[in-house]
Amino acid sequence: QQQVKQSPQSLIVQKGGISIINCAYENTAFDYFPWYQQFPGKGPALLIAIRPDVSEKKEGRFTISFNKSAKQFSLHIMDSQPGDSATYFCAANWGGAGSYQLTFGKGTKLSVIP
Amino acid sequence: DTGVSQNPRHKITKRGQNVTFRCDPISEHNRLYWYRQTLGQGPEFLTYFQNEAQLEKSRLLSDRFSAERPKGSFSTLEIQRTEQGDSAMYLCASSPGRDSGSSDTQYFGPGTRLTVL
Repeated sequence: QQQVKQSPQSLIVQKGGISIINCAYENTAFDYFPWYQQFPGKGPALLIAIRPDVSEKKEGRFTISFNKSAKQFSLHIMDSQPGDSATYFCAANWGGAGSYQLTFGKGTKLSVIP
Repeated sequence: DTGVSQNPRHKITKRGQNVTFRCDPISEHNRLYWYRQTLGQGPEFLTYFQNEAQLEKSRLLSDRFSAERPKGSFSTLEIQRTEQGDSAMYLCASSPGRDSGSSDTQYFGPGTRLTVL
């Protein structure tokens, strides 16, 4: 079973602080690594994504760091705000098999306190 | 709104009944996916369509689950003889799917919350 392991399960951060969520994967054939944000009762919304040919990607307050040799990637949320309180999922995808299914981590519930 | 839409948003049914969910993908998206999400877990892949062809269905949870995408537009997911264990959020996603062999961004709909009594 292809897996993506995500940690921590929950995270509490002070407003203005940095939130860091980590993921590790097993299948070296994965070629696309998105992060999704999900609010209660809503579908996941794409936050940011990276491919393994780059080590870092930044969009606004959100940064993905990617370590291909360690098979790990992480999401950094700078200047965390209460509105960022949500569940975050890392995922991985491999199009080479013609399946394109996303394999998700179990999620991290982020709470940003004022 | 031109995102992925799903109907109904909520469905309550009795055990043993059949249910059908509809997904309308983003216009001109060739790939359509169905996922299931249970409480406290990440979405779990069920099946996928490239246009009207169902190219991956081995992950459908049992033969009670079936999906269609007639004419490569909207899709339906049917669950026959529902069981309490089928209670979950059923998510649909779509992606452009223009490059064979290349993963692309999947955009999710709001989901259908199924409760089986």
